[in-house]
Amino acid sequence: DTAVSQTPKYLVTQMGNDKSIKCEQNLGHDTMYWYKQDSKKFLKIMFSYNNKELIINETVPNRFSPKSPDKAHLNLHINSLELGDSAVYFCASSQADPPKLFFGSGTQLSVL
Amino acid sequence: DAKTTQPPSMDCAEGRAANLPCNHSTISGNEYVYWYRQIHSQGPQYIIHGLKNNETNEMASLIITEDRKSSTLILPHATLRDTAVYYCIVRVVGGNKLVFGAGTILRVKS
Repeated sequence: DTAVSQTPKYLVTQMGNDKSIKCEQNLGHDTMYWYKQDSKKFLKIMFSYNNKELIINETVPNRFSPKSPDKAHLNLHINSLELGDSAVYFCASSQADPPKLFFGSGTQLSVL
Repeated sequence: DAKTTQPPSMDCAEGRAANLPCNHSTISGNEYVYWYRQIHSQGPQYIIHGLKNNETNEMASLIITEDRKSSTLILPHATLRDTAVYYCIVRVVGGNKLVFGAGTILRVKS
């Protein structure tokens, strides 16, 4: 069983569209994250949720809205996609302190 | 969280130990040192973490200097599958935000 799974793995879309990426973890962790890895390969944290509550919200455009229906799921919805949103998006989860993050395999988003 | 400095790249012969250095001279007493790696096209993978003492697990050993200003990740017998970007991160106790730097590209060569 995959511990942290993201769908879809690849997402190709046009500018201006709205898209969602789904993430699920079966590890029983309380905390989930979204990271973005751009073309220069830097990994930047975007959001973190703990037990469905937002605890980290980095400087991310309002077009990005995370949603956590329960503590096993953290979805990322992106409105009005722009060329600069093209990147690989990673979901992760962790438990307790110090946190040991488990990452999904990533979603490669290409905005044309 | 303290900043870390790592060499941009290193080479290692297959079967030899890979020693990856990390400088974190501004680390404070309540900050952990973490190591992760990212194999091409995969999500980052946790390797090991430590606070003051040296640590060892099935993947690697972490040696932290006595003043805690630097550390070394040791892969005892590197294989081709260990070729990856290795990230050294420091994080305050109780904080749950891991900030990734540029990392070190380790190339293991046969």
